[in-house]
Amino acid sequence: SQQGEEDPQALSIQEGENATMNCSYKTSINNLQWYRQNSGRGLVHLILIRSNEREKHSGRLRVTLDTSKKSSSLLITASRAADTASYFCATGTDSWGKFQFGAGTQVVVTP
Amino acid sequence: DVKVTQSSRYLVKRTGEKVFLECVQDMDHENMFWYRQDPGLGLRLIYFSYDVKMKEKGDIPEGYSVSREKKERFSLILESASTNQTSMYLCASSREGPPFYNEQFFGPGTRLTVL
Repeated sequence: SQQGEEDPQALSIQEGENATMNCSYKTSINNLQWYRQNSGRGLVHLILIRSNEREKHSGRLRVTLDTSKKSSSLLITASRAADTASYFCATGTDSWGKFQFGAGTQVVVTP
Repeated sequence: DVKVTQSSRYLVKRTGEKVFLECVQDMDHENMFWYRQDPGLGLRLIYFSYDVKMKEKGDIPEGYSVSREKKERFSLILESASTNQTSMYLCASSREGPPFYNEQFFGPGTRLTVL
């Protein structure tokens, strides 16, 4: 099973609204990464947050990490139609083999 | 502009055929990865390579092999394609070090259909 599990599976919002999605994981991690995938394309890296960080910002993106709850959230503020995509979290530990992606949250932003 | 390219966007093959998927990166990255992506399952790692001629199995290596003869090129081989290998295949690369440490750069993907 995936180390990271996103919630919700799908999200539909209107332009200008905020979108929040969550990622929960099972074991201790070194860092957590968020990626975006536009329909039928490769993934694009958004943010990397390390286990000793609690919050990170990049433009309209805000990521939080709560290691006590083993969860992370990705907030997209003032969403645009171009934010329509699937969003994946990926978690990693010390081990080479333990870097795993979740199943993703599909976000649809309507004009 | 950094780039990971994959040889085909769409590929249709027949059961039993040998299939080659090629991936090339121009960032001088040490690490390269092959994933497959299926609905509801996210990305699953097939194989990765941390150096030329070095390879390690990922979570689902059965039915696949890989080759890395040059630093910039990582090939995925389906020895005898089967219908359950119909999927989206994604190649990625990253700088040296464990995969959790650095961001991965992805190619556009190859959608393989095995009939």
